[in-house]
Amino acid sequence: DQQVKQNSPSLSVQEGRISILNCDYTNSMFDYFLWYKKYPAEGPTFLISISSIKDKNEDGRFTVFLNKSAKHLSLHIVPSQPGDSAVYFCAASARSNYQLIWGAGTKLIIKP
Amino acid sequence: GAVVSQHPSRVICKSGTSVKIECRSLDFQATTMFWYRQFPKQSLMLMATSNEGSKATYEQGVEKDKFLINHASLTLSTLTVTSAHPEDSSFYICSARDSAGPYEQYFGPGTRLTVT
Repeated sequence: DQQVKQNSPSLSVQEGRISILNCDYTNSMFDYFLWYKKYPAEGPTFLISISSIKDKNEDGRFTVFLNKSAKHLSLHIVPSQPGDSAVYFCAASARSNYQLIWGAGTKLIIKP
Repeated sequence: GAVVSQHPSRVICKSGTSVKIECRSLDFQATTMFWYRQFPKQSLMLMATSNEGSKATYEQGVEKDKFLINHASLTLSTLTVTSAHPEDSSFYICSARDSAGPYEQYFGPGTRLTVT
């Protein structure tokens, strides 16, 4: 049973445009959500997070939106740059054990 | 920012031998560290949660006698793959949670293990 779902295995976006990566979850106990970026043969890099008490968090080019009623979050990257090409993982956590439950990842390709 | 190192980055060993992988948090204390395994084109699979000074908690299906985890200090956790087999070949990644922070985990660069 996948508690965190990233339904798009890949996404292609023109350089300079907005990239929108989506993530859905099923467990209402999740209270913290994170986005990580990963290059091949490297560990994930933390990008941005959001607590369930907020609906938006912004950090530079990255903004995460949380819609609790829909159990949906999204990561917006504006403007998209070639170095943003990577696999993006959505993860969720519940206060009880700090474990991260991971989505399957979305491969973002930024076209020049 | 929070930095986690892993050593070695690559290791090749023969079947039947044991390999130790170290995970260190360099600029923060980590009460909790996590060990993951990643198969090609797949997401991260959590193997175990390591708490400083206590026994690790293993995920279902992970053999605790094969994957020995030690978390002896607030900055170091080790994973030892015992009696390695070719099917243990994989990319192993550790992460550490900053004891002073909320939920963010910071990841090491990973270790590529190849068992011949």
